[in-house]
Parts: sequence; structure tokens; C-alpha cells
Amino acid sequence: AQSVSQHNHHVILSEAASLELGCNYSYGGTVNLFWYVQYPGQHLQLLLKYFSGDPLVKGIKGFEAEFIKSKFSFNLRKPSVQWSDTAEYFCAVNANTGRRALTFGSGTRLQVQP
Amino acid sequence: DAGVIQSPRHEVTEMGQEVTLRCKPISGHDYLFWYRQTMMRGLELLIYFNNNVPIDDSGMPEDRFSAKMPNASFSTLKIQPSEPRDSAVYFCASSSGGGMRGYTFGSGTRLTVV
Repeated sequence: AQSVSQHNHHVILSEAASLELGCNYSYGGTVNLFWYVQYPGQHLQLLLKYFSGDPLVKGIKGFEAEFIKSKFSFNLRKPSVQWSDTAEYFCAVNANTGRRALTFGSGTRLQVQP
Repeated sequence: DAGVIQSPRHEVTEMGQEVTLRCKPISGHDYLFWYRQTMMRGLELLIYFNNNVPIDDSGMPEDRFSAKMPNASFSTLKIQPSEPRDSAVYFCASSSGGGMRGYTFGSGTRLTVV
């Protein structure tokens, strides 16, 4: 069964600091990868996604993620965070096994201090 | 596009009562997913439908939970009888083609069972 690990449960940064959130998955075949963001009290919104091609994916709000197949990783990055980036971030995977549901990681809570 | 619409936004009920959560997916989407979010367990897939047919209900906790999708524009998740441990945020999501291309989430229903 596919699984997703997010090792950072809670990250605290100051504004303008750089961000990198880790995500590892456990499926050896072809995967589709996603990062979602959940602002306080809101629903999950798609930040970016990877299907194939260039392993460096750019999303909304200045976020990007890099797919490293050899490391089974899909880490999320942002060069300079803002207070408004305070939210919970979820990595998700869909393995091309025929099962059409996403498996989510446990999430990383990011707190950006002004 | 109104997005995925869930109702109610908040529900407070007494233990033992029946609870019905509702979801209207995005028009044209052929997949619908129900997730439950708790602090302890994160985002758990409960069940998903394809073209109104339940495909995988292995995540449904027990017989007290049931879900239906009578047509392409409506789904319900019912808990009968409800218990305090069912307290969570329940999200509905829909997609075209399944999780392979990501989902659009609804705003969720925050259920509190007292």
C-alpha cells in the first residue's frame, strides 16, 4: 500500500526565511504527487502537482517542489515566506495502480512570525 | 463554478442521534471522495464513488457509517448512531478522472458529538 511521510510536524519561521518541507512516499512505480495547503479554518487547496516531465514544479504563491525519484521525495520549497503563508501543508500521492484516491501525509503546520 | 458544496458547515448533535452530511460535487466530475480529518489521525479516506457507484469503502470505520450517491450531483454520508469519537471535520472532494489529477475540496462539515 502506498504511504506518505511528512517528517516535520511543526515548523516556525520568521518572515523572509526560506522554507523546505519534506515529503517521502513509499511506492516504487509511477506516481502523481501533490501539495495542498489548508489555511486556518478553511478547506484544502491545491498548491502544485507533478505528473511527469520536469521534476521541478512551480505552483501558486511562489511555491515550488522538486521530485527526486531516487529518493522517493517531493519536497516543497519557498525562498522567502510571508506571514500569510501560516497554514498546514499536506503532501499527497496517487500511485498508478488503478486506485483513484489520494493518500495524504499527516501534514506540517507552518507558523510564520512577523 | 460554485465548487464543491457541503452542508451543513457545523453540526452539533447528541450521542446516539443520526447525522447526515451532504455534498454537491462540481458538475461534470465523475469521482467523489469523502475524507475525515482529526488531529490524531490526519486525513483519512472513508469512501469514494465513480459515476455514482461506490468503489472503495474500506475506510468506513464501522457499520454505523454509510454513504450514498443517488445521482451525479448529490452524495450523503450518514452516521447512525453517532458517538463522541466521530467528532471531526468531514470533507467531500470531487475530481474528473480520480485522484490522478488532484481533487477540489469542499469547505467541510465540522461535526461535534456531545
